[in-house]
Amino acid sequence: KAGVTQTPRYLIKTRGQQVTLSCSPISGHRSVSWYQQTPGQGLQFLFEYFSETQRNKGNFPGRFSGRQFSNSRSEMNVSTLELGDSALYLCASSLGPEGRYRPQYFGPGTRLTVL
Amino acid sequence: GDSVTQMEGPVTLSEEAFLTINCTYTATGYPSLFWYVQYPGEGLQLLLKATKADDKGSNKGFEATYRKETTSFHLEKGSVQVSDSAVYFCALSSDANFGNEKLTFGTGTRLTIIP
Repeated sequence: KAGVTQTPRYLIKTRGQQVTLSCSPISGHRSVSWYQQTPGQGLQFLFEYFSETQRNKGNFPGRFSGRQFSNSRSEMNVSTLELGDSALYLCASSLGPEGRYRPQYFGPGTRLTVL
Repeated sequence: GDSVTQMEGPVTLSEEAFLTINCTYTATGYPSLFWYVQYPGEGLQLLLKATKADDKGSNKGFEATYRKETTSFHLEKGSVQVSDSAVYFCALSSDANFGNEKLTFGTGTRLTIIP
């Protein structure tokens, strides 16, 4: 079974631009979560989607948004990029809310650099 | 709120040495606990998990026991190999977030094994 895939793997943008990152979960997984990883802040939860609905959101400004499609694929968007948005963005999928014991499986991440 | 405190790194050990990486947590309810590993240039891989008190998670020679009385989940391995060099993250999924998939991570511990 294929793992979580994220595209693109690397991205370079300039301040003020916007960016869209894509995540395809493991087949059969219905929950997709997004995390930001930076050297200073570590791993921080952005948001989680299940059945095309955002169920949980971390403490990030409104410039960060996401959505999930009917096939469980997810995208996240960052508008008006700032230098501090440079990070590794990780997507994780899991089976869903049937039980909190179900672990999340992570993709390789998208490395975003904002110049 | 939920939090995870991890042993500061970096940790450098010789091959075949005994490894302990300390992890303590603060959470409401009865969280599930995880150890994830991140190899250079990759996303996170689930190493092991425990879902209730006194559970022992194990995988690839690594072990961790869920200790509710000390709110700890220390990672151990009896004999490390060069291939174990990576960054290790302790994480929890809080009972307060039942049905939601948010993970709270520690800051990570970089482990280097020298031959």
